[in-house]
Amino acid sequence: GAVVSQHPSWVICKSGTSVKIECRSLDFQATTMFWYRQFPKQSLMLMATSNEGSKATYEQGVEKDKFLINHASLTLSTLTVTSAHPEDSSFYICSARGGGLTEAFFGQGTRLTVV
Amino acid sequence: TQLLEQSPQFLSIQEGENLTVYCNSSSVFSSLQWYRQEPGEGPVLLVTVVTGGEVKKLKRLTFQFGDARKDSSLHITAAQPGDTGLYLCAGAGSNTGKLIFGQGTTLQVKP
Repeated sequence: GAVVSQHPSWVICKSGTSVKIECRSLDFQATTMFWYRQFPKQSLMLMATSNEGSKATYEQGVEKDKFLINHASLTLSTLTVTSAHPEDSSFYICSARGGGLTEAFFGQGTRLTVV
Repeated sequence: TQLLEQSPQFLSIQEGENLTVYCNSSSVFSSLQWYRQEPGEGPVLLVTVVTGGEVKKLKRLTFQFGDARKDSSLHITAAQPGDTGLYLCAGAGSNTGKLIFGQGTTLQVKP
């Protein structure tokens, strides 16, 4: 099956620092990757869609300068939370689609805690 | 904007009971997926439905896609404690390809 690996699974950082989260498709080429944010006991909120080699498309209300997304290759996309603040603490999840697959497959998620 | 309304949002039942989760929209989706998510993990795909009126079964789980491809349901027969989790429906936008999620249904099955 299609495997998407997300790293790290959890991270604690100080307020004001930046954190990078990686999302890799291990056995298929991900032409499209999605980044979601999830609050406790709530559903996934789409933050942005990225296509390999082009700029990410951000959803309304998501600050593109704060959440930097790079999709430089067909197997890797990164989300960088810049100048993180406690309100950025959340569960971030990526998903990837491509290689002829109609479904998107999800990474394990990253628990970010900003202190 | 395409939206998916999922209901109920919370469900607590006894082992052995049946339940149905609904996912409704005013928009047409090219496909609809159902996921199950455990705490602290990413969603795991259960099924994809593509054709209007399609019914798929996965052991005790039955998934149905509405004829107009605007709604779907998940029915669990004889629920077990292992079915406990967050169930999410997600529709693929026909124009954008984005996966839009419903609010999710938190299911608790008590032994």
